Amino acid sequence: KQEVTQIPAALSVPEGENLVLNCSFTDSAIYNLQWFRQDPGKGLTSLLLIQSSQREQTSGRLNASLDKSSGRSTLYIAASQPGDSATYLCAVFIQGAQKLVFGQGTRLTINP
Amino acid sequence: GAVVSQHPSWVICKSGTSVKIECRSLDFQATTMFWYRQFPKQSLMLMATSNEGSKATYEQGVEKDKFLINHASLTLSTLTVTSAHPEDSSFYICSAPSLRGTPYEQYFGPGTRLTVT
Repeated sequence: KQEVTQIPAALSVPEGENLVLNCSFTDSAIYNLQWFRQDPGKGLTSLLLIQSSQREQTSGRLNASLDKSSGRSTLYIAASQPGDSATYLCAVFIQGAQKLVFGQGTRLTINP
Repeated sequence: GAVVSQHPSWVICKSGTSVKIECRSLDFQATTMFWYRQFPKQSLMLMATSNEGSKATYEQGVEKDKFLINHASLTLSTLTVTSAHPEDSSFYICSAPSLRGTPYEQYFGPGTRLTVT
């Protein structure tokens, strides 16, 4: 059974810092990995999707990497801003079962 | 990009009543849609996979007679919570993969907050 783990569960940093969020998964048989952002009481905003054949994706200040063989992904946020405060979720779309499995999320707070 | 809508965005109902939530893909067709439930401060848990033209596939522990799913067309799936109880209060989110663009990329609706009193 696929399990997705995100570390840390919560993170609080001052504005301007670069930071890394971690995601690990137990089964490498995935089609892709997606990183999402969720603001309190809101739905999901897709940030980046990495196909299983890819190593990384970049969008603005965000960079996500994928090491499928080791079951790990990282989301790098450069020059963090208070507006980046949210819960960040990673999810893998698994082969076979054809469904998305989510991690528990990292609650990020950027302090002005 | 692909857009998924949900209606209503929030609903309050009395215990024992039923409530229907709609999930629509606005600019693409979806033969499959997924329904998730999210309790406060928790992650999303997949409830069921909705399949157009066939029965939904439910995850272990999800009562199919309580959470009725109907994939009426290639752009609409509905989730009906029957005989709702306060413990059914949650945030319900649907998603659908677009058949064009990146394979298996999921597009999410904005969610429906259900409160059962």
